[in-house]
Amino acid sequence: RKEVEQDPGPFNVPEGATVAFNCTYSNSASQSFFWYRQDCRKEPKLLMSVYSSGNEDGRFTAQLNRASQYISLLIRDSKLSDSATYLCVVIPSSNTGKLIFGQGTTLQVKP
Amino acid sequence: ETGVTQSPTHLIKTRGQQVTLRCSSQSGHNTVSWYQQALGQGPQFIFQYYREEENGRGNFPPRFSGLQFPNYSSELNVNALELDDSALYLCASSLVSPRGADQETQYFGPGTRLLVL
Repeated sequence: RKEVEQDPGPFNVPEGATVAFNCTYSNSASQSFFWYRQDCRKEPKLLMSVYSSGNEDGRFTAQLNRASQYISLLIRDSKLSDSATYLCVVIPSSNTGKLIFGQGTTLQVKP
Repeated sequence: ETGVTQSPTHLIKTRGQQVTLRCSSQSGHNTVSWYQQALGQGPQFIFQYYREEENGRGNFPPRFSGLQFPNYSSELNVNALELDDSALYLCASSLVSPRGADQETQYFGPGTRLLVL
């Protein structure tokens, strides 16, 4: 079983749609969680951290469910510019600076 | 931009050759991590360097080695290249507290695309 699992998609949605991505992780002792965004042929960039209380940044909402070892990202009112690959990232309990990435979920927002 | 730079941007090598990739960290950062991203996959952790010492390693063979210099820049060396080494190699810099336990966000460079023929 992979340490971090995501549905690779692709998710094809129209502009203005709401889309949700899910991610599960295997290490129950994991301590930090993030969503990164990666545009085609570019480097990953931090989108937002994920907290148990949930956090929101504009149209983006991230949630963490530690009991289910599940992380989610919700994008409301999708824009064409949201088209990218979204990577779920976990830092395991032993903090050696190792980021564990999921495979990534590809989103394509269509006009 | 993150302020993290990598060179070269692209590289073509043949099986069995050796390659050195370079990374300059963001100003004020003391730690560099290296990742390998194969096509269609998420990045995989290779190793991290903190204050010129290796600080954690992923599941990569010894032919993957690295260095960190006093100015916190870093090199990734890969010996005896194999076809499966073809990938995007990313470095990420961050600031680690003097205790080495607390890390801030890792910022990625643009990567080096390596093709092994």
